[in-house]
Amino acid sequence: EPEVTQTPSHQVTQMGQEVILRCVPISNHLYFYWYRQILGQKVEFLVSFYNNEISEKSEIFDDQFSVERPDGSNFTLKIRSTKLEDSAMYFCASSRLRAEETQYFGPGTRLLVL
Amino acid sequence: DAKTTQPNSMESNEEEPVHLPCNHSTISGTDYIHWYRQLPSQGPEYVIHGLTSNVNNRMASLAIAEDRKSSTLILHRATLRDAAVYYCILRDVGGADGLTFGKGTHLIIQP
Repeated sequence: EPEVTQTPSHQVTQMGQEVILRCVPISNHLYFYWYRQILGQKVEFLVSFYNNEISEKSEIFDDQFSVERPDGSNFTLKIRSTKLEDSAMYFCASSRLRAEETQYFGPGTRLLVL
Repeated sequence: DAKTTQPNSMESNEEEPVHLPCNHSTISGTDYIHWYRQLPSQGPEYVIHGLTSNVNNRMASLAIAEDRKSSTLILHRATLRDAAVYYCILRDVGGADGLTFGKGTHLIIQP
């Protein structure tokens, strides 16, 4: 069964550094998403991406965040200058069609900012 | 997306059925009822969804009240692997892209 994959599984970085989290969505999916989950808190939507551009973004997704689909398979989330409060699990998800609604999530990247 | 209310936690015994309730009294006519679950240290996982009629799949059944103001996710025979947080989420086809997760129900399975 196809699945969403994410790399790395864990990332430790120093405050102020840039990080890039990578995702490979399911191959025939057209919509891609990033979510985050701070330890002990709810899963929060960050951004959705369709047709090579951002479709929607939440208030959390400020100027320090960016997303990109650099090639036909990868989907990345860049955090430009990490802050302590960016420490969280970051989940990538994809869906075949927006209207289909079912989103398939990856296993997540645990980001720790020191 | 409309709001849902779920119990914080529930406990069940292995190999017994589990009924997870969800109230959504402000549901609109175009809201689908989705259930996702999150196993420990994993990403959310789709379970089932429906609009008006009850739905069955290999993982679970979804029973939707006639007035659609509540629904119940049914795990027919719980296993230890079903211990997870279960989220009931309303999704309007014309609404926001992102899923709005609440706190969900933490399901504990006793052996």
